[in-house]
Amino acid sequence: GQNIDQPTEMTATEGAIVQINCTYQTSGFNGLFWYQQHAGEAPTFLSYNVLDGLEEKGRFSSFLSRSKGYSYLLLKELQMKDSASYLCAGLDNDYKLSFGAGTTVTVRA
Amino acid sequence: ETGVTQTPRHLVMGMTNKKSLKCEQHLGHNAMYWYKQSAKKPLELMFVYNFKEQTENNSVPSRFSPECPNSSHLFLHLHTLQPEDSALYLCASSRVGDNTGELFFGEGSRLTVL
Repeated sequence: GQNIDQPTEMTATEGAIVQINCTYQTSGFNGLFWYQQHAGEAPTFLSYNVLDGLEEKGRFSSFLSRSKGYSYLLLKELQMKDSASYLCAGLDNDYKLSFGAGTTVTVRA
Repeated sequence: ETGVTQTPRHLVMGMTNKKSLKCEQHLGHNAMYWYKQSAKKPLELMFVYNFKEQTENNSVPSRFSPECPNSSHLFLHLHTLQPEDSALYLCASSRVGDNTGELFFGEGSRLTVL
C-alpha cells in the first residue's frame, strides 16, 4: 500500500499558474498518476510519470522526483473550466493504484 | 464519454432494501474495479476482477456483493446497507499488461442510504 498526501483546496485567478504538490510513501513504486474530476463526472486521466523529470502536455505539466517521493501538477494559463478536483495516485509494485483525497482547485475571474 | 457506463446514476434506498449497481465497459479491457468515493476522502478500492476472476477484496463488508459475469460487465449487489455507506461508487476498467495501468472511470452511482 501507499500513503498519498496532497492539499485539500487551492484557489487561483483566471490566467494564473497553480502548482499542486503531492507526496507519497511507498514500499514499491511503478509510477504516479494525476486525474482530473469535475463535480458529478468521472475522473479522467491527465498524466503518468515513472521517470524523474517534467512531462509537459499543453497547459498542464507533471513533475516527479522519486528520491524525494514527490510530484507536482502545474496548471498554466488557468481557465474557468479548470475548476475541478485533482487526484494524485501512486502505482505500487503489485500495480495497485492508491489515491490521495484530491485537491479542489477553484478558478476565480 | 469514457467508454465506461454506470447505472443508475443516482439511487436512494432504505436499510432493508436490495438493489444493484451496474457497470459496462466498451473498451475491450480485461480488468474491472469498484471504488468508493466519500467526501474529502481518498478513493477506496473495494474489488478487482482480472479476466472475470476476483483478485482483490479489500475487507469490504458482506453487505456489498460483487458479480462479474464477463469481462465487459460488473455488478455491485447491495443489501441491508447502513447510512455510512452513502457515497459515490465508481467503476473503472483497465487493460492487464498495459505498461501504465491507466484506469478509465465511469461517472459513478451516487448512493444515499436512509
